[in-house]
Amino acid sequence: QVQLVESGGGLVKPGGSLRLSCAASGFTFSDYYMSWIRQAPGKGLEWVSYISSSSSYTNYADSVKGRFTISRDNAKNSLYLQMNSLRAEDTAVYYCARGVGGLPYYFDYWGQGTLVTVSS
Amino acid sequence: AIRMTQSPSSFSASTGDRVTITCRASQGISSYLAWYQQKPGKAPKLLIYAASTLQSGVPSRFSGSGSGTDFTLTISCLQSEDFATYYCQQYYSYPSITFGPGTKVDIK
Repeated sequence: QVQLVESGGGLVKPGGSLRLSCAASGFTFSDYYMSWIRQAPGKGLEWVSYISSSSSYTNYADSVKGRFTISRDNAKNSLYLQMNSLRAEDTAVYYCARGVGGLPYYFDYWGQGTLVTVSS
Repeated sequence: AIRMTQSPSSFSASTGDRVTITCRASQGISSYLAWYQQKPGKAPKLLIYAASTLQSGVPSRFSGSGSGTDFTLTISCLQSEDFATYYCQQYYSYPSITFGPGTKVDIK
C-alpha cells in the first residue's frame, strides 16, 4: 500500500534552516510528481512546492520562493524540502503528497505530516 | 492567482442529515476541482476529483457537482465519522494550486 512518511521537523530559530524528508513506498516513486503542502496551527492548507518525476521541473508558492528548495532522490524513493531563512510564519505541519491528474495536480495520498516550529 | 472561497465556514448538523458545502472559484476552473476531508490531527483525505468523480474507497453518500466557478459537496446521510473539516482545491491554474479556507462540520 502507498505510504508517505515525513521526518525532520522540529524547533528552529528565526533565520535558521531545516531539511525535511519524505520516504515513499508502495508505488513507483519515479513515476509521480510530488508536493509539499503545509498547514499552520488552526489554519487551512497551503500548497508550498512541487517537483516533477525526473526533477526537471519545480515550482514554489510566492511565500517561500527563494528560501525553500524541493528535491528528490528516485533511487532512494525520497522527497526533500530544504528550508532556509525560516520565519515565524513558516510554523506549520508540513505534509508530503503524491500528485495525480496532470499538472497542476490534486493529491491522492498524503503523509502524516511533520511539525516545524520557528521560534526564538 | 485563483482564489477559492467556501460557505459556510462552519455549521452544526445531526447524524442522518443531508448536508451541502459550497465552493466558489474567483474565475472559471472548468471541472478541475478536488474535495478533501480532514479530521483533527490527521492528514487530509481525497474524497472527490474532477468535481464529481468519487475517489476509490470513498462511501457513495459523498457526491460532488458543479463546473466553472460554483461547486458543491453533498453528504446524503451524515454519519458520525463524517464530522470533520472539508477543503476544496482547484488544479486548473498552472502553475499554482490553491485550497479553499475549509468548512468545519460539527455535531449539533
